[in-house]
Amino acid sequence: AQTVTQSQPEMSVQEAETVTLSCTYDTSESDYYLFWYKQPPSRQMILVIRQEAYKQQNATENRFSVNFQKAAKSFSLKISDSQLGDAAMYFCAYRGSARQLTFGSGTQLTVLP
Amino acid sequence: KAGVTQTPRYLIKTRGQQVTLSCSPISGHRSVSWYQQTPGQGLQFLFEYFSETQRNKGNFPGRFSGRQFSNSRSEMNVSTLELGDSALYLCASSPRTSSYAGELFFGEGSRLTVL
Repeated sequence: AQTVTQSQPEMSVQEAETVTLSCTYDTSESDYYLFWYKQPPSRQMILVIRQEAYKQQNATENRFSVNFQKAAKSFSLKISDSQLGDAAMYFCAYRGSARQLTFGSGTQLTVLP
Repeated sequence: KAGVTQTPRYLIKTRGQQVTLSCSPISGHRSVSWYQQTPGQGLQFLFEYFSETQRNKGNFPGRFSGRQFSNSRSEMNVSTLELGDSALYLCASSPRTSSYAGELFFGEGSRLTVL
């Protein structure tokens, strides 16, 4: 079974600074997708960024980028120029042949003004 | 385009009762998944429906069941409620199930409290 581990329960960052959230996963599959989801206090889960395992190039979405290390099974999220609206719980998730999302335990990000 | 709509948003039940939660997916989406979110266990997959058929099921007891209607709306039912069933139940829809690349769009959830 696949597992996803987020070792940082809480992180904080100063507004306009950069922060990196860590995620590692375990799988025997070679074809899969990795996601970062954001869950603000309103509770609605929103997709931040997606990475295909077969793509070596790291995904980027505006201020959000990932560092995908397939051999190390590592998938970190970098948020540049942090904004107050980035404050939320961030979940790393894996999706493989079983199709359901397997989530990590989450990292609560606080953005300090 | 309307998002995923879940009803009710909040509900309180007592042990032994049963509950039904409803999810209306985004128009055109035919796949609906359900997840349970608790502080202790985190986010756990319950089941996935596509074209009125359950395609996948998580590791939950038989008290948890679901169904999908021809209009893709889905319901999940929990019978004989236990205190541990208190959770946020999230529904997610996606346009297809043939590929697992697709993004899941989540609703705001139904917060169930069991007393």
